Amino acid sequence: DTGVSQDPRHKITKRGQNVTFRCDPISEHNRLYWYRQTLGQGPEFLTYFQNEAQLEKSRLLSDRFSAERPKGSFSTLEIQRTEQGDSAMYLCASSVQTSGVPDTQYFGPGTRLTVL
Amino acid sequence: AQSVTQLDSHVSVSEGTPVLLRCNYSSSYSPSLFWYVQHPNKGLQLLLKYTSAATLVKGINGFEAEFKKSETSFHLTKPSAHMSDAAEYFCVVSSSIKFYFGTGTSLTVIP
Repeated sequence: DTGVSQDPRHKITKRGQNVTFRCDPISEHNRLYWYRQTLGQGPEFLTYFQNEAQLEKSRLLSDRFSAERPKGSFSTLEIQRTEQGDSAMYLCASSVQTSGVPDTQYFGPGTRLTVL
Repeated sequence: AQSVTQLDSHVSVSEGTPVLLRCNYSSSYSPSLFWYVQHPNKGLQLLLKYTSAATLVKGINGFEAEFKKSETSFHLTKPSAHMSDAAEYFCVVSSSIKFYFGTGTSLTVIP
């Protein structure tokens, strides 16, 4: 168990550029989540995958955001035409589906995005 | 609807003294509750979780929390603070897929 990994750890970009982040979950975890955390706040749910299917998206996820998990393993989160308001820490988490109780989610170190 | 309220944004304690971080929750269903810790430049680490078994939950590093349904609370405690406990702590409620985080409590430990 090597934990959840995210790449890159830091990204600085100019307004209007596209960025893509990658998340590698714990192997055998079938669920994967993306969260966004802004300064002084707790993480907020963005989207969730069960295997390769994206089953839920938050209203926070505007049309400029897209997430994929093509083979049910790693996931990517792309932000098109970045805006300064997109500056945040983007967290990925994974879990094993557990019947009857909410899963325990294991988090990666995050990708810190700064939009200039 | 589900939410958590962390009653203190900052807590400061002296090393060796008890720690109390307060959390109240709101949930329409029987919730699961979690405490996570976030050290600078590190990922969120699970401290402990409550999933309707014992109401007193023991976690890692000497932390524990008590689920009190009548008070809708899930406060985090530790008998004796250590310098390494200085971090941001998040209370989380969930009854399904989504986690709902509080705004966090920053713990400072004074030597």
